[in-house]
Amino acid sequence: GAGVSQSPSNKVTEKGKDVELRCDPISGHTALYWYRQSLGQGLEFLIYFQGNSAPDKSGLPSDRFSAERTGGSVSTLTIQRTQQEDSAVYLCASSLQVRRGGGDTQYFGPGTRLTVL
Amino acid sequence: AQSVTQPDIHITVSEGASLELRCNYSYGATPYLFWYVQSPGQGLQLLLKYFSGDTLVQGIKGFEAEFKRSQSSFNLRKPSVHWSDAAEYFCAAARGAGGYNKLIFGAGTRLAVHP
Repeated sequence: GAGVSQSPSNKVTEKGKDVELRCDPISGHTALYWYRQSLGQGLEFLIYFQGNSAPDKSGLPSDRFSAERTGGSVSTLTIQRTQQEDSAVYLCASSLQVRRGGGDTQYFGPGTRLTVL
Repeated sequence: AQSVTQPDIHITVSEGASLELRCNYSYGATPYLFWYVQSPGQGLQLLLKYFSGDTLVQGIKGFEAEFKRSQSSFNLRKPSVHWSDAAEYFCAAARGAGGYNKLIFGAGTRLAVHP
């Protein structure tokens, strides 16, 4: 079946511009995650959506970052007024969320490589 | 603070040789533990995970990992490496109030395989 898809695969933008990154999770997965992979910081958690609950935004690095998930499916990560340090690969993952204690397998998309000039 | 450490940044092995990738965690209590592999240009793929119980965990592609509480370690092993195993390997953990689904990753170990 189809896995997690992300678009665009590559995005080059100028400093100060806004960007939107899209994630389509696996159909039926109720949980969705965003991570960032950069040379300096490695892989970092950004935000987590679970069903209709309020998202866990504890990993967002600044108020320039926001994300939403419409209809419990597609998610968009928005970065406003991009800075050069935002350059990274942004990974999306989804999971079924069947374990009460968490730890469900997260399935990752191929990522969006963002370059801020 | 919660952390995951992978001491080896790069490892090179010959095809057919055995492999062990190290992972140590620092948590207040035993977290859930995972190993992921990332091939160039690809997303992360789960190799195996540990929640509780048997400390030796079998995964895909012939990998296994052993959880050792006394050493706070979760090392990944493979008895005979194939050239297609060349990739970057990430150890990850999840635990804590509200944190069971937030993976904390190690810095990764890049594996090169010589023919």
